[in-house]
Amino acid sequence: DAMVIQNPRYQVTQFGKPVTLSCSQTLNHNVMYWYQQKSSQAPKLLFHYYDKDFNNEADTPDNFQSRRPNTSFCFLDIRSPGLGDAAMYLCATSIRGRGGQETQYFGPGTRLLVL
Amino acid sequence: DQQVKQNSPSLSVQEGRISILNCDYTNSMFDYFLWYKKYPAEGPTFLISISSIKDKNEDGRFTVFLNKSAKHLSLHIVPSQPGDSAVYFCAASARTSGSRLTFGEGTQLTVNP
Repeated sequence: DAMVIQNPRYQVTQFGKPVTLSCSQTLNHNVMYWYQQKSSQAPKLLFHYYDKDFNNEADTPDNFQSRRPNTSFCFLDIRSPGLGDAAMYLCATSIRGRGGQETQYFGPGTRLLVL
Repeated sequence: DQQVKQNSPSLSVQEGRISILNCDYTNSMFDYFLWYKKYPAEGPTFLISISSIKDKNEDGRFTVFLNKSAKHLSLHIVPSQPGDSAVYFCAASARTSGSRLTFGEGTQLTVNP
């Protein structure tokens, strides 16, 4: 089945220790997104890649970086995690065409805990 | 400025009855609307969507209604089942903003057996 996969599902890191979350997709979608979701809140978009073009949201902290080495994979790097970065991190994909109306498909998420 | 609002944080319904989840928006540029369902510790699952050129879209037990003049949409689930218990997010996008999704805060639906 075509899908969005996130590994690991749960990640524990120490305060200030860099951590990388990964996302892969078999949908062959050209757009990949990273969201942060804290409990009981709406997902917050951090950035997205449209093919190789990186699009950062204006309020995304510099502590968050992303890489997309190929169509299938996208990584979220948190350079120096703080306690406030503990959250669910969601990867999503969509296909962007000329129509402009995209449906985003989400992975299961990675729950990050910062000690 | 919260452009998409789900004013009911929770809704409780009896199994077999209709669940109606509501969503209001303020941005008249929104032209595509989606509903997602989210179970605890999982990512949102796409349920159903509607384009602004339509006022109704149906998929099995799920129907979404769009009232553009009122800037209001609703999700109807009939009949409701205990497995429908989850948080439901309304989301909207506009072609003019790169199809970026704006989410509501979610409504926790509980379907009681």
